Amino acid sequence: QVQLQQSGPGLVKPSQTLSLTCAISGDSVSGNSVAWNWIRQSPSRGLEWLGRTNYRSKWYKDYAVSVKSRITINPDTSKNQFFLQLNSVTPEDTAVYYCARDWGADAFDIWGQGTMVTVSS
Amino acid sequence: SYELTQPPSVSVSPGQTASITCSGDKLGDKYACWYQQKPGQSPVLVIYQDSKRPSGIPERFSGSNSGNTATLTISGTQAMDEADYHCQAWDRSTVVFGGGTKLTVL
Repeated sequence: QVQLQQSGPGLVKPSQTLSLTCAISGDSVSGNSVAWNWIRQSPSRGLEWLGRTNYRSKWYKDYAVSVKSRITINPDTSKNQFFLQLNSVTPEDTAVYYCARDWGADAFDIWGQGTMVTVSS
Repeated sequence: SYELTQPPSVSVSPGQTASITCSGDKLGDKYACWYQQKPGQSPVLVIYQDSKRPSGIPERFSGSNSGNTATLTISGTQAMDEADYHCQAWDRSTVVFGGGTKLTVL
């Protein structure tokens, strides 16, 4: 049974970096048919895909245009997890952040529990 | 940028059929999927690749996708189906979500 466990701070100051971790159990971050994604949800923007990483003989990363200049998603094979870093945050980045697996069908079948992140001083 | 449009709300009586639409330019040329989300919970995939149901999703959930519209149909709607439903598709290596539809069972 695949599970994703998120961790990270719930409060970040404006202009600082938002950092979240998604620990994977029951699957591998370097699996050849899966992709590991970050998605956020806010009342004003609904569900918004942020980006993904996947391994196909080498690591690939894709990012949403809206955050491309500020986002990094990295895998950690030693601990079977992946990270989200979002730089220079503003209050508009306040949202519930989810990690999610795409198992190869272009859909997200496993989701983390969600982390409410508030950007405020 | 590509957009998916859903009605903000749909109402249905228990036991009846609910249909939720998702519209986008030539959406039928892409795969659409659907998520159910209850308050305070993470989304749950109920339909992928237009009409396939993941393991554990009841048969009353079905999907179709043609032209510019994908449709999620819930037959014999139950009170437990009351939730927000979100459609999703890929466009040019980017994931796009619809705005979500609140399904009320009354």
